[in-house]
Amino acid sequence: KNQVEQSPQSLIILEGKNCTLQCNYTVSPFSNLRWYKQDTGRGPVSLTIMTFSENTKSNGRYTATLDADTKQSSLHITASQLSDSASYICVVSAKSGGSYIPTFGRGTSLIVHP
Amino acid sequence: ETGVTQTPRHLVMGMTNKKSLKCEQHLGHNAMYWYKQSAKKPLELMFVYNFKEQTENNSVPSRFSPECPNSSHLFLHLHTLQPEDSALYLCASSQDGGAPEKLFFGSGTQLSVL
Repeated sequence: KNQVEQSPQSLIILEGKNCTLQCNYTVSPFSNLRWYKQDTGRGPVSLTIMTFSENTKSNGRYTATLDADTKQSSLHITASQLSDSASYICVVSAKSGGSYIPTFGRGTSLIVHP
Repeated sequence: ETGVTQTPRHLVMGMTNKKSLKCEQHLGHNAMYWYKQSAKKPLELMFVYNFKEQTENNSVPSRFSPECPNSSHLFLHLHTLQPEDSALYLCASSQDGGAPEKLFFGSGTQLSVL
């Protein structure tokens, strides 16, 4: 069964600090991995996508890494801001025939305090 | 804004009521989705429509009835719901339902069933 596990479940940090969120998956055959950010009261918004051949990708202060061998991904947030407070969801897609089947993680809830 | 609009944002209903959730996308996408998001649980795919045709019904109870009159509009008709159906209902769209490389989500309808 395809699964995506995220850790920690929740995280509280001070503004300006860095943090790293983890995503472990057992999805096969692997197609791609996306990190979404979901603000309170909003739908998820895609931050970045990683394919099998990519090890790292940055989007501003967000840097995602992927280790396809160990089936792990991380999302590193640098110099956190209050607006980074949100839920971060890891989504791993498997390719089945011509379709892509996404499996969602439960998300990590990040709170950034001033 | 993501280009996907959902109404209403909040809904409170009794178990004997009938209500409908509405979703509209302005992105020219061909696929639309309904997801259920409950607290502490991963997003659950409910229905998929690709070119107005329902391509997936993820074992959803018949008290949820989707309708897709065209590629830009999606409805979720609700009747005789249970308290455990209380959740955030998210609509999403993608360019191609067979290969949903990127999902664009609406802000969701927060549903409370009393």
